[in-house]
Amino acid sequence: GQNIDQPTEMTATEGAIVQINCTYQTSGFNGLFWYQQHAGEAPTFLSYNVLDGLEEKGRFSSFLSRSKGYSYLLLKELQMKDSASYLCAVMDSNYQLIWGAGTKLIIKP
Amino acid sequence: GAVVSQHPSRVICKSGTSVKIECRSLDFQATTMFWYRQFPKKSLMLMATSNEGSKATYEQGVEKDKFLINHASLTLSTLTVTSAHPEDSSFYICSARTGGGDTDTQYFGPGTRLTVL
Repeated sequence: GQNIDQPTEMTATEGAIVQINCTYQTSGFNGLFWYQQHAGEAPTFLSYNVLDGLEEKGRFSSFLSRSKGYSYLLLKELQMKDSASYLCAVMDSNYQLIWGAGTKLIIKP
Repeated sequence: GAVVSQHPSRVICKSGTSVKIECRSLDFQATTMFWYRQFPKKSLMLMATSNEGSKATYEQGVEKDKFLINHASLTLSTLTVTSAHPEDSSFYICSARTGGGDTDTQYFGPGTRLTVL
């Protein structure tokens, strides 16, 4: 079956760095997405990786290793507003999105 | 974990026809279902929120007469794109929320790719 795994919840300190991991097993691969979702709001697109390597975008970076079925989202200089759920989703060979359950990130002062 | 399905996964239709997309929660009862539209490498745009047995709440700018939403049961919501035009071509994603308050969780469907010729 198809599966996306990511931690349920993580806690980090304001100003620190946190890495949210995502591992996947899917039938085919057409890219991996990271979304941020604040409670009661629609998910916001953060990144899309289809090739191996690290993509940096401001305080957020996303890494992909297709051979390992692994990605991570790296958040630097954490701010209180980064408290949210972070969703990992993989597009399979049929261009269907397989969603992780999301990681709730709690930022403490 | 909870599963949300969508049917069909992809559809191609002629301009002017109507298309119905189903969203089902397979192993839980969804108090609320959401319909999103995804643009390439963009955030998911919330179109409407529907609660079982009541009218859907549409976001500003979404035509309720064009995008008909029916939430007939706690496990099924449908989105009908009426008189579809090429600009309606997109990836439509539904999600279902269970529980309530701090314990509710939102589960996303795999999406439906609509192509209007």
